[in-house]
Amino acid sequence: DAGITQSPRYKITETGRQVTLMCHQTWSHSYMFWYRQDLGHGLRLIYYSAAADITDKGEVPDGYVVSRSKTENFPLTLESATRSQTSVYFCASSELNEKLFFGSGTQLSVL
Amino acid sequence: GEDVEQSLFLSVREGDSSVINCTYTDSSSTYLYWYKQEPGAGLQLLTYIFSNMDMKQDQRLTVLLNKKDKHLSLRIADTQTGDSAIYFCAEIAGNQFYFGTGTSLTVIP
Repeated sequence: DAGITQSPRYKITETGRQVTLMCHQTWSHSYMFWYRQDLGHGLRLIYYSAAADITDKGEVPDGYVVSRSKTENFPLTLESATRSQTSVYFCASSELNEKLFFGSGTQLSVL
Repeated sequence: GEDVEQSLFLSVREGDSSVINCTYTDSSSTYLYWYKQEPGAGLQLLTYIFSNMDMKQDQRLTVLLNKKDKHLSLRIADTQTGDSAIYFCAEIAGNQFYFGTGTSLTVIP
């Protein structure tokens, strides 16, 4: 009965490295989202997915890649991490026009 | 994107009522939401209201919706120290969720 889980909880990496943040939900929700949360900017949408194999860009997609081969998983990859990608990342899921449920977040530091 | 605006900070004394305000822009939003975020945690859905309702009460929480002015408020009665958190309002438009920047509520013992 985990709901939506993110891993890792904390991650430190160096600029230029590839990093993948994992997200898994057990509700079979159609929609999944990735947000980043930064002071002064609130929550900003990076990418979202309406179903398996369907993804679309959000407000701040540059430098990120997503995939959704299975309904329950929605990994977010930083192909070449930059310091500006230091942030707290939240995954979320919902059904169409329904409530949005969030994971606990991944705190990423890029040195 | 849509604009959802909130004031940044609110301080209240323990036992008083707190009122957190929000304005939104999309009149076609079907739901409006309030989320609570405690330090180091994700956003937790607190309550929500259908767009065809004016008010919703849920224990200590009262949500008021003024569709004409596109104004949403969250009232917390008998505010406790455990209510200290950041509160986000959100609207949904075209299955995109738009969040305010959050109101940091501090409860003074």
